[in-house]
Amino acid sequence: GNSVTQMEGPVTLSEEAFLTINCTYTATGYPSLFWYVQYPGEGLQLLLKATKADDKGSNKGFEATYRKETTSFHLEKGSVQVSDSAVYFCALYTGNQFYFGTGTSLTVIP
Amino acid sequence: GAVVSQHPSRVICKSGTSVKIECRSLDFQATTMFWYRQFPKKSLMLMATSNEGSKATYEQGVEKDKFLINHASLTLSTLTVTSAHPEDSSFYICSARDTRVNTGELFFGEGSRLTVL
Repeated sequence: GNSVTQMEGPVTLSEEAFLTINCTYTATGYPSLFWYVQYPGEGLQLLLKATKADDKGSNKGFEATYRKETTSFHLEKGSVQVSDSAVYFCALYTGNQFYFGTGTSLTVIP
Repeated sequence: GAVVSQHPSRVICKSGTSVKIECRSLDFQATTMFWYRQFPKKSLMLMATSNEGSKATYEQGVEKDKFLINHASLTLSTLTVTSAHPEDSSFYICSARDTRVNTGELFFGEGSRLTVL
């Protein structure tokens, strides 16, 4: 079946620290992969995406590379800011349905 | 990008009353919209797929008589929580896909926080 597994949170980092949030997936076929971000009290916003193997999605300093060999789509940022504090969701899309991870809460402290 | 708007963003109601949440696609037509429920510290749970002009498709375990979904037009879907109880308190989020661009990306509404007293 299809599923997404994210690292458990919460994650607390100091400003300017390096961020990695792990995401692995199980899927039949060739899914597209997404990272969504949810700021407090808001809905989800697309952060970045990758539609095929070896693609790298990037936005606002965040990056993730679609690794088919390891079935992973880890989210990284070199230097986090307080404004990055949010919940991050990894998701895959099979062409029919979305599957979301459980979300990882990130808090960045000054 | 495409915009999806939900209303109301927050609603408080008494137990036993019904609450309607609207989801609109503002700059595109959506033949299909999705309703999710989000529990604290949990992921999004797909409740149902709302289909314009036909009945919604509910996920297993979701009570269709309790969570009424109507997709009367290409830009509007509504979720009505009937006879609400405190356990229905949650964050409800709708989403839609802009089929003009075949990226598969889901666009989400801002969410509606329901509190049932």
